Amino acid sequence: AAGVIQSPRHLIKEKRETATLKCYPIPRHDTVYWYQQGPGQDPQFLISFYEKMQSDKGSIPDRFSAQQFSDYHSELNMSSLELGDSALYFCASSLTGGGGDEQFFGPGTRLTVL
Amino acid sequence: GQNIDQPTEMTATEGAIVQINCTYQTSGFNGLFWYQQHAGEAPTFLSYNVLDGLEEKGRFSSFLSRSKGYSYLLLKELQMKDSASYLCAVRHHEGNYQLIWGAGTKLIIKP
Repeated sequence: AAGVIQSPRHLIKEKRETATLKCYPIPRHDTVYWYQQGPGQDPQFLISFYEKMQSDKGSIPDRFSAQQFSDYHSELNMSSLELGDSALYFCASSLTGGGGDEQFFGPGTRLTVL
Repeated sequence: GQNIDQPTEMTATEGAIVQINCTYQTSGFNGLFWYQQHAGEAPTFLSYNVLDGLEEKGRFSSFLSRSKGYSYLLLKELQMKDSASYLCAVRHHEGNYQLIWGAGTKLIIKP
């Protein structure tokens, strides 16, 4: 079965650079979530989109922005990167109203800021 | 405020049974999820409870008591591959699909 696809899987950037992370949800899933997970920490919710519109906002810094496109893929844009942005970034997708609405996670993008 | 508590770490023996507890205080409740996460990998969905009672899925079962703000994940016939972190997450408001996550319980399985 198709799963959530994230690219790139690994990314190394320097401070003050920008980065773009991409997420391709499971086909027919209409909701996308972005999470940031530091070492030994639980996932921190950043932002979510339902039907291409922002549905909820969590602890996303102002330096970050995201959007969902007409094909339902989503991009997380990160600017003025800081050392503290180094983390695993997960994208998850779900089918709203599909029973438990469980979120299916992608493999993550490991961002390292030097 | 929102708060989810689960033990930081637990140890169990291969072939045994272990119960991981989760308590929550959230503004509203619309379902509780358990996820398994191996180090450096994505969380994978294990179970979902929205009504009181026990949901069984093979070796894994999950229980919910909404009046007590309490859930547990029961793992039977433990295998070495069950060594992972187990995350409890609560969806706290209908129509808002944000999950509030616990810090996870690191389960260590010994031979």
